[in-house]
Amino acid sequence: QQPVQSPQAVILREGEDAVINCSSSKALYSVHWYRQKHGEAPVFLMILLKGGEQKGHDKISASFNEKKQQSSLYLTASQLSYSGTYFCGTETDSGGSNYKLTFGKGTLLTVNP
Amino acid sequence: DAGVTQSPTHLIKTRGQQVTLRCSPKSGHDTVSWYQQALGQGPQFIFQYYEEEERQRGNFPDRFSGHQFPNYSSELNVNALLLGDSALYLCASSFPHGLAGFGTQYFGPGTRLLVL
Repeated sequence: QQPVQSPQAVILREGEDAVINCSSSKALYSVHWYRQKHGEAPVFLMILLKGGEQKGHDKISASFNEKKQQSSLYLTASQLSYSGTYFCGTETDSGGSNYKLTFGKGTLLTVNP
Repeated sequence: DAGVTQSPTHLIKTRGQQVTLRCSPKSGHDTVSWYQQALGQGPQFIFQYYEEEERQRGNFPDRFSGHQFPNYSSELNVNALLLGDSALYLCASSFPHGLAGFGTQYFGPGTRLLVL
């Protein structure tokens, strides 16, 4: 089942912060975050494995609440280069090493000067 | 070091035809996954190849098939094309990461398929 991302779109001014949420109705093995700019391939940001960890990458970090089956992506002090569509991908284990990775519909982030 | 490459970049076919898309993974990567991305949507997982075998498969009909060669490159074949198959087809490669499931994936630029 496809994870639900919110908000669908957000507009920021350079330097502002944003949070993108991702929730699933299924028990998750991991959560993946990617950013895709218009006309380009998705680019990997980070993976969070079950265990409630938080990871960071420059001014972009994420958390994963395994019990709530939710993840959030935090963008602080946004830069123009952060503009793009952010996708979360939820990975589930159906048993017998049968893994599925399902992406949400994306969150369009626009950072203006 | 070349990243993931895909060919062709664009393709136009008519309903009922068959199409083959190609992907070369990033150097050192042994796993290739294929995705279909419709306009305004997230990528949808088609299947994954590892050691020349299909390891995982998404909810796609048997019209979608693939192959992985000994050099880890891969092909995606779609038979009996439908209008709804029009989309961007993305290939992603990943390296052995010692974990179960999907690891870090590096996406290629995609092949845009239009079915008329």
